[in-house]
Amino acid sequence: GDSVTQTEGLVTLTEGLPVMLNCTYQTIYSNPFLFWYVQHLNESPRLLLKSFTDNKRTEHQGFHATLHKSSSSFHLQKSSAQLSDSALYYCALRSNNRIFFGDGTQLVVKP
Amino acid sequence: EAAVTQSPRNKVAVTGGKVTLSCNQTNNHNNMYWYRQDTGHGLRLIHYSYGAGSTEKGDIPDGYKASRPSQENFSLILELATPSQTSVYFCASGGLGDWGGAETLYFGSGTRLTVL
Repeated sequence: GDSVTQTEGLVTLTEGLPVMLNCTYQTIYSNPFLFWYVQHLNESPRLLLKSFTDNKRTEHQGFHATLHKSSSSFHLQKSSAQLSDSALYYCALRSNNRIFFGDGTQLVVKP
Repeated sequence: EAAVTQSPRNKVAVTGGKVTLSCNQTNNHNNMYWYRQDTGHGLRLIHYSYGAGSTEKGDIPDGYKASRPSQENFSLILELATPSQTSVYFCASGGLGDWGGAETLYFGSGTRLTVL
């Protein structure tokens, strides 16, 4: 069945270093939408970025991701982590009219 | 900005009691969802709805019922609450928003439920 895998439960970084959060997915649907949602402490999840175009970079608020259908991946990246980036990040897949979330990656950015 | 309001924000219930969580959206979205969030499990879909009068089972529906009496309102009902249902519950509505393309979820602020 359809699923999303986020391999890291916790990522701890020093401020200024690059961020990469992994996301892979599984679906038989040929045109999936992929999303990244971010949830800051004591807040609700909100959309960070989304894409359905193969091999096209999508950017928002300093983060970017590229959907690669060949490898079923949609990794989230940022060139330089900020303290305010500390949050829980969810990768999600929309396939055949359903949305599937990964288990989430907690990003902690330290000074 | 899309608006989804949940009530109550916090709830303490006793085992075996009935609990109703309410959600109201002013986005005029057809789709609404109930998720629970637990550490290590992410967001898990309990029930969802495609419009007034419709409810569908999600991935973990056991022990929960849902009701969608109108476009704006979507309730989650725990008829016989158990301690295993202690969690944070999020309601969301789904629409295209400003991004176009696929449906974006707009989440409420969440309800923290504790079942003793």
